[in-house]
Amino acid sequence: AQKITQTQPGMFVQEKEAVTLDCTYDTSDQSYGLFWYKQPSSGEMIFLIYQGSYDEQNATEGRYSLNFQKARKSANLVISASQLGDSAMYFCAMREGRTGGFKTIFGAGTRLFVKA
Amino acid sequence: SQTIHQWPATLVQPVGSPLSLECTVEGTSNPNLYWYRQAAGRGLQLLFYSVGIGQISSEVPQNLSASRPQDRQFILSSKKLLLSDSGFYLCAWSVGGQGENQPQHFGDGTRLSIL
Repeated sequence: AQKITQTQPGMFVQEKEAVTLDCTYDTSDQSYGLFWYKQPSSGEMIFLIYQGSYDEQNATEGRYSLNFQKARKSANLVISASQLGDSAMYFCAMREGRTGGFKTIFGAGTRLFVKA
Repeated sequence: SQTIHQWPATLVQPVGSPLSLECTVEGTSNPNLYWYRQAAGRGLQLLFYSVGIGQISSEVPQNLSASRPQDRQFILSSKKLLLSDSGFYLCAWSVGGQGENQPQHFGDGTRLSIL
C-alpha cells in the first residue's frame, strides 16, 4: 500500500498568494517524522521542514509551515507569500521510527507553478 | 558544516558499458548513506542504503550494485548498463542511527543517459 500520497500533480498560484500542497500518509508506527523537500529544475533536493509525530505544534520555517493533522494523517505544506523562485517540484516524505529502520519514503510529488 | 559531493554531474554511456558513480560526505562521521533513482517527472525510488562500512541493503533487485569502502564514501556501480538504467541518480546522507527526526541531505545528482 502506498504510504505517502500527494494527490495534486500540479498546482498554480499567483505571486504573493499563499498555497497549500497536500500530503497524506499511512503508518502504524506511533513515532515517525514527516518532511518536505523542494526540487528546482536544476535537480537538487532541498530539505524544507520537519514535523515529528509527537510535536503538538505545527512546524514553521520562514514562509513554510506544516499543517499537521494527526488524526487525519495529513501533513500539508503551506507556502505563504509565494515567490517566482518557489516554482519547483515538492515532495512529502516520511520516516517511520520503529518499522521503517533507516528508510525515508517519498511521495510522487507536486509541481508548483508561481505566476507573475 | 557537512557537505556532500556527487560526481559526475552528467554521464552518457553506451548500453553494456560499466558504471561507477561516486558520492562522498564531509563533516560528519558514520552517516547513513542512500542512493535514489528518479525517472523524469517522477518521485524518488530508493535503490540502496548503508548504515556502515561494508553494510549495504538493496531495496530493488536490478542491474546495479553499491559499495561503501570507507565511512563517508558510497559508490553505485554496474557491470553492464541497460537502457532502463537511464535516469537521475541522487546520493543522500542522514545522521547515523534510526532517528525518525533526521532529514536526508542530497547531493546535486547525476543525469545518466544510456544510448
